[in-house]
Amino acid sequence: DVKVTQSSRYLVKRTGEKVFLECVQDMDHENMFWYRQDPGLGLRLIYFSYDVKMKEKGDIPEGYSVSREKKERFSLILESASTNQTSMYLCASIPPAGFSEQYFGPGTRLTVT
Amino acid sequence: KNEVEQSPQNLTAQEGEFITINCSYSVGISALHWLQQHPGGGIVSLFMLSSGKKKHGRLIATINIQEKHSSLHITASHPRDSAVYICAVRLGGGSNYKLTFGKGTLLTVNP
Repeated sequence: DVKVTQSSRYLVKRTGEKVFLECVQDMDHENMFWYRQDPGLGLRLIYFSYDVKMKEKGDIPEGYSVSREKKERFSLILESASTNQTSMYLCASIPPAGFSEQYFGPGTRLTVT
Repeated sequence: KNEVEQSPQNLTAQEGEFITINCSYSVGISALHWLQQHPGGGIVSLFMLSSGKKKHGRLIATINIQEKHSSLHITASHPRDSAVYICAVRLGGGSNYKLTFGKGTLLTVNP
């Protein structure tokens, strides 16, 4: 079974802190994604990566950056956390070729106070 | 920009009822996904469709490409089916794996 894991299920940080959210997948997937999920807004794409050291902005990249130094690991960075970044963050990955489903991690619920 | 609209937003049913959740989108797509999210849980992929119909157990998903519409049906619903059901579409082919998501339908099945 494909497994996508995220470093924390719940995280509480203070405004202005630098926050790292990590995602690891164990099936050699090339494409990885970071989403945030908010009530009434659904899932929105923050950043995605289609290969090591490659990244592309999604629909809402402001206030975030990402890092993909190894194929299995995709990190989301909040450079200076703000209260409007309180949200559920979900990582996903997809196999390299053809049409296939996305595999999601369990999510990290981040609260910025 | 593609919009993905789901209906209804909320749905309450009695155990055993037949459930239908609808998804409409505004531009051509290469694939449509149905996802399930239980409260506090991660997201699980139920179906990926590019045409026709797929069935898995009590779940059936259909898509009409011409009408830009998909439905997810649950037969003989059960309280464990209570979850948020999310429709997502993939616009491009090739290496474009980005998805656009609907806002989800919250299904509650009462015993």
